[in-house]
Amino acid sequence: DTGVSQDPRHKITKRGQNVTFRCDPISEHNRLYWYRQTLGQGPEFLTYFQNEAQLEKSRLLSDRFSAERPKGSFSTLEIQRTEQGDSAMYLCASSPDRSRDTGELFFGEGSRLTVL
Amino acid sequence: SQQGEEDPQALSIQEGENATMNCSYKTSINNLQWYRQNSGRGLVHLILIRSNEREKHSGRLRVTLDTSKKSSSLLITASRAADTASYFCATAFFSNDYKLSFGAGTTVTVRA
Repeated sequence: DTGVSQDPRHKITKRGQNVTFRCDPISEHNRLYWYRQTLGQGPEFLTYFQNEAQLEKSRLLSDRFSAERPKGSFSTLEIQRTEQGDSAMYLCASSPDRSRDTGELFFGEGSRLTVL
Repeated sequence: SQQGEEDPQALSIQEGENATMNCSYKTSINNLQWYRQNSGRGLVHLILIRSNEREKHSGRLRVTLDTSKKSSSLLITASRAADTASYFCATAFFSNDYKLSFGAGTTVTVRA
């Protein structure tokens, strides 16, 4: 299966701890996106990359959040000093580069974070 | 903030019936897409309709788009239990670099 993969699928942590999520996009996709989804809501945009360049960060992404895509392949999303309000599903998606981009995204299964 | 709003928020139908859900959005778009999400899983792309199209079909799915009213509808015909899921509309616009903005979704339950 060469779809988008995310790890871990579930993470339970205590408030104040740091967590890191990893996303491996579809191999030929240049663009990688992170979204956050809370219960009963649609996904909200957090940030995205074109290859290794981070193009935009949402205002939702506080200073405690950092995302990287060091070699333009996999990406990590780190949350420092987690708060209960960070509890959500973190979704990663990828898409081909802009010349072929109709905007369709290919999503992973998500990483569900629970902060106690 | 979310661009689209789906209506209704929840829908319960009998297997074999049709399910219709609507999406309204606020700004200009290049295309509108519908995604399905099974409980606790990622989103799966269903269908895309461009701003110059009015209707599109894919299998049991029919999508309409009215750019003058900034609204779209998704019709699922002859529903099956496997169609039980949440359905989201998402809009894309070139000035926003085609980043998708999602609505809050419609939860569809198909009763056997």
